[in-house]
Amino acid sequence: DTGVSQDPRHKITKRGQNVTFRCDPISEHNRLYWYRQTLGQGPEFLTYFQNEAQLEKSRLLSDRFSAERPKGSFSTLEIQRTEQGDSAMYLCASSLFGGSSYEQYFGPGTRLTVT
Amino acid sequence: AQTVTQSQPEMSVQEAETVTLSCTYDTSENNYYLFWYKQPPSRQMILVIRQEAYKQQNATENRFSVNFQKAAKSFSLKISDSQLGDTAMYFCAFMKEYGGSQGNLIFGKGTKLSVKP
Repeated sequence: DTGVSQDPRHKITKRGQNVTFRCDPISEHNRLYWYRQTLGQGPEFLTYFQNEAQLEKSRLLSDRFSAERPKGSFSTLEIQRTEQGDSAMYLCASSLFGGSSYEQYFGPGTRLTVT
Repeated sequence: AQTVTQSQPEMSVQEAETVTLSCTYDTSENNYYLFWYKQPPSRQMILVIRQEAYKQQNATENRFSVNFQKAAKSFSLKISDSQLGDTAMYFCAFMKEYGGSQGNLIFGKGTKLSVKP
């Protein structure tokens, strides 16, 4: 069990550029969640997948954001035309739906800075 | 919509002492779960303790215990024998349970706990 991994850990980009983040969940986990955490705040839910199906999206997920989990394993989160307000820590978590535990295991996050 | 409120932005405690972190939540749901997560500086978030709303007995995990008051919608975390490694942000979180499924977590703003030697 190598835990949830995220890549890159840090990303600095200029306003207007597109960025893509990757999350690799714990291998047997069928659910994958994306959260955003800004300074001094708790994480806020963005979206989640069960296997390859995106089951729920938050209103926070504007049209510039898109997430995929094409084969039900890793997931990508893309932000198009980044804005300074997108600067945040993007957290990924995974869980095993249908198991006895519903605990979400978090990755280390990707810190995005938009200049 | 569910909300989670942590009214203590920062707290400090002496090593080996006991500290209690407060959390209240608002929901009209009857079936849900509550969690405390710990986020150490520059490290990833880990689960400290969880409580199922249908269980009356308060959860305990070693030095960590909760006081779950369902009617009052209160869910406090007690840390006994505080250790320097307990220094972290602590987040209270709510998860709705519906039809046997679980959804996303709703977090409070967090309490920054500092354990002093």
